[in-house]
Amino acid sequence: EVQLVESGGGLVQPGGSLRLSCAASGFTFSSYEMNWVRQAPGRGLEWVSQISDSGTTIYYADSVKGRFTISRDNAKNSLYLQMNSLRAEDTAVYYCARSYCSSTSCYRDYWGQGTLVTVSS
Amino acid sequence: QSVLTQPPSVSAAPGQKVTISCSGSTSNIGNNYVSWYQQLPGTAPKVLIYDNNKRPSGIPDRFSGSKSGTSATLGITGLQTGDEADYYCGTWNSSLTTYVFGTGTKVTVL
Repeated sequence: EVQLVESGGGLVQPGGSLRLSCAASGFTFSSYEMNWVRQAPGRGLEWVSQISDSGTTIYYADSVKGRFTISRDNAKNSLYLQMNSLRAEDTAVYYCARSYCSSTSCYRDYWGQGTLVTVSS
Repeated sequence: QSVLTQPPSVSAAPGQKVTISCSGSTSNIGNNYVSWYQQLPGTAPKVLIYDNNKRPSGIPDRFSGSKSGTSATLGITGLQTGDEADYYCGTWNSSLTTYVFGTGTKVTVL
């Protein structure tokens, strides 16, 4: 059974840093592209970042570029999101999601339960 | 704000049909495949449709997807109370090199 379990969320002051982790199990982690997607309270989904299976190709949303860093450790079946210079508008539930890539496109097929990040003084 | 526009809400009686539109551009929907996600209250999203019109195993055929030009549509037939949720379209935006979700649509079963 595919499982994605996020951790590392919490309360942080504006300008602070936080590192999120996502522990993956039930599939060959090193074969899949992975994503972070967030959802501010009462708002819609916002894609944050994605990393290729090998970690060599990375994309970011403009809203986090230069502040957030996605990474992965295939030996530990883990995905990470280092968040620096946090702002109030970064407050959200952060989801880890796996991409399944067919011959034509990639879609987010499994999601974790999310971890809440609150940026407030 | 998202580059993919959806109606904020749609509603219908049990057993009826609803359609949800997702409007984009040639940079996203026009040249890429669309997925649809369902988010039940308090839960993580779940994929309903991928590659414009394909359903993952376990998704009932009451859910369907289509695409024409720079717009996509999700259809739900035989509406059930358990279908009350938020629905999002999603696709790759080639010009931005980012994945984008639609603004989201709340489905209410009357």
